[in-house]
Amino acid sequence: NAGVTQTPKFQVLKTGQSMTLQCAQDMNHNSMYWYRQDPGMGLRLIYYSASEGTTDKGEVPNGYNVSRLNKREFSLRLESAAPSQTSVYFCASSVRGVNQPQHFGDGTRLSIL
Amino acid sequence: AQSVTQLDSQVPVFEEAPVELRCNYSSSVSVYLFWYVQYPNQGLQLLLKYLSGSTLVKGINGFEAEFNKSQTSFHLRKPSVHISDTAEYFCAVGPRSNDYKLSFGAGTTVTVRA
Repeated sequence: NAGVTQTPKFQVLKTGQSMTLQCAQDMNHNSMYWYRQDPGMGLRLIYYSASEGTTDKGEVPNGYNVSRLNKREFSLRLESAAPSQTSVYFCASSVRGVNQPQHFGDGTRLSIL
Repeated sequence: AQSVTQLDSQVPVFEEAPVELRCNYSSSVSVYLFWYVQYPNQGLQLLLKYLSGSTLVKGINGFEAEFNKSQTSFHLRKPSVHISDTAEYFCAVGPRSNDYKLSFGAGTTVTVRA
C-alpha cells in the first residue's frame, strides 16, 4: 500500500550545502516526476523521467540534478543549496504520460537558511 | 506553452451548500485537463480528468467538471459539500503534443464550515 515514498519528510540545510531527495514507487510505473510547490504558485515541474534511462528538464531545472537509478527510484539533488530553493518538493509517478493519473508522494519540506 | 488560471484563491462555503471552482487555461495546442485535490500535509490526488468525449466529467467524492472549449474553461462543481472537502484544489493541463509536462494553476483553498 506504499505507492510513492519520499525521504526525508523534513530537512533544514545551510546555504551551500548539498542534499539528495529520494523517491521510490512500487506501482511499476514508467514515468516519474519532481515538482516544487511554493505558496500561490501551484506546482512547477523541475525534471521528469519518461522511462528508465531518460531524464528531461521541466519548467524550473536550474540548481537541480536528477538520477533515474532504476525503474523504481528517481532522486533529486541540490548541489549547492540556496534560500530560493526553500520549498515543498513532491515526487510523482504515472504509468506513462500525462493522460494517465499521476500518483504523488507526501512531500519533502526543505528549508534553506 | 500553456498556462492555467484559477480565478479564486480562497472559497469559504457552508456545509451542504454547492461549490464551484473556476479554471481557465490557454494553450496553442489541444490539451488534456485535470483536477487534483490536496489534503493538509499530503500529496495530490486525482479528482477527475478530461481526455476526450463527453464534456461533462464525473469524478470521485461527488465532484464533476465541465469542459468548455470555446471559453477555454474547466470549472469544478459539487452540489453539496462536506466538512471533509476542506482542502486545496488544483486545475492542471497537459498538452497532447508533449505527454509529460503538466502545468498547474496556483490552487484554490476550499474551507467548509458547519
